[in-house]
Amino acid sequence: QIQLVQSGAEVKKPGASVKVSCKTSGYTFSNYNMIWIRQAPGQGPEWMGWINAYSGNTKYTQNLQGRMTITADTSTTTGYMELRSLRFDDTAVYYCATLAAGRLDYWGQGTLVTVSS
Amino acid sequence: QSVLTQPPSVSGAPGQRVTISCTGSSSNIGAGYDVLWYHQLPGTAPKLLIYGDINRPSGVPDRFSGSKSGTSASLAITGLQAEDEGDYYCQSYDSGLSGYVFGTGTKVTVL
Repeated sequence: QIQLVQSGAEVKKPGASVKVSCKTSGYTFSNYNMIWIRQAPGQGPEWMGWINAYSGNTKYTQNLQGRMTITADTSTTTGYMELRSLRFDDTAVYYCATLAAGRLDYWGQGTLVTVSS
Repeated sequence: QSVLTQPPSVSGAPGQRVTISCTGSSSNIGAGYDVLWYHQLPGTAPKLLIYGDINRPSGVPDRFSGSKSGTSASLAITGLQAEDEGDYYCQSYDSGLSGYVFGTGTKVTVL
């Protein structure tokens, strides 16, 4: 079955960077885009960006452009999301998910990133 | 910054029917972009319930149905069950933002 397993929780100081991984299995990695979404405490999901796992092309939401990078390693079928210059309001649960025809069918379990001084 | 508006909460007794609205604009739902619905339990990832406005992935009970008209969409849950409690989110694409947008979320309570 299709599985997306994310790396563990992180605690970072303001200004630091974080890199979250998403190890996939059970499907052909290049057949799906991978999307990253975050959800701040008590808030709804927020789309961050996605990567075409076949071509490597990326698309980012405007308000995070320049601070984040999404990559995909086809040899290990793993996606990565790096967020830099962390701020307190970046505290959230970060999810990876498969994206095909606008559908987010399969999700990782989520990674809590806490930004605290 | 949610651009799709949902009621904060809805409730109903077991067996009843409830509906959740999702109001957008001419740059998202009104432009014809697909609406999707997700159900989220505390501490877990959202689960896809409806895609393409009205379609259910395999395994989703037919108690869940979606509809769309103009700049709004709705999710109906018939025969409400205790396991239906949780948060529900709509999702679409917005041409102005050039990206996906989610609703503000609705908490469903089974009385």
